[in-house]
Amino acid sequence: EVLLLESGGGLVQPGGSLRLSCAASGFTFSSFAMNWVRQAPGRGLEWVSGIIGSGGSTYYADSVKGRFTISRDNSKNTLYLQMNSLRADDTAVYYCAKDKRFSVSVTFEYWGQGSLVTVSS
Amino acid sequence: QSALTQPASVSGSPGQSITISCTGTSSDVGVYNYVSWYQHHPGKAPKLMIYDVSDRPSGVSNRFSGSRSGNTASLTISGLQAADEADYYCSSYTSSTTLGVFGTGTKVTVL
Repeated sequence: EVLLLESGGGLVQPGGSLRLSCAASGFTFSSFAMNWVRQAPGRGLEWVSGIIGSGGSTYYADSVKGRFTISRDNSKNTLYLQMNSLRADDTAVYYCAKDKRFSVSVTFEYWGQGSLVTVSS
Repeated sequence: QSALTQPASVSGSPGQSITISCTGTSSDVGVYNYVSWYQHHPGKAPKLMIYDVSDRPSGVSNRFSGSRSGNTASLTISGLQAADEADYYCSSYTSSTTLGVFGTGTKVTVL
């Protein structure tokens, strides 16, 4: 059974930083790309970032480019999202999502339960 | 990159069929086969219902089907059931600098 468990969310002040983690199990982690998707309160889903299975290539939405960094540790089956210079409009539930392919195809085969990030003073 | 366009809401009676449209451009839905559909019950994790335009993951009911015509993808739910009441989102790979784009979302109501 595929399981994705996010952690690291919480309340942070504008301009602050936060690191999300996603512990994966139930599949060969290094064989699949991974993604972060978010949903702001009352809004739709938004793709945030993706990383290929080997970790060698990363991709970002324009809205977070230069502020967020995606990474993975295949020895620990864990995905990360380092979020810097956080703004109020980054407030959202952040989902970790397993891609269907080794490369980032933005086909989200399995999802975690989500981690809430609130940016507020 | 603008979101793909979906109707805000679609409704139907139990047993009926409904279709949700997802309109993009020749830079996303119209050119790539990486078009997917997700069912999202609020407070739960989204679920993949259709991938690669019309393929269905194992375990997903064959009442759900996908198709595409030009720049518009569609999700059809046949034999509508109360459990189908949820938000539905399409997504597509895109040639823009933002690799992926979602639709605006459609709330399905079973009357």
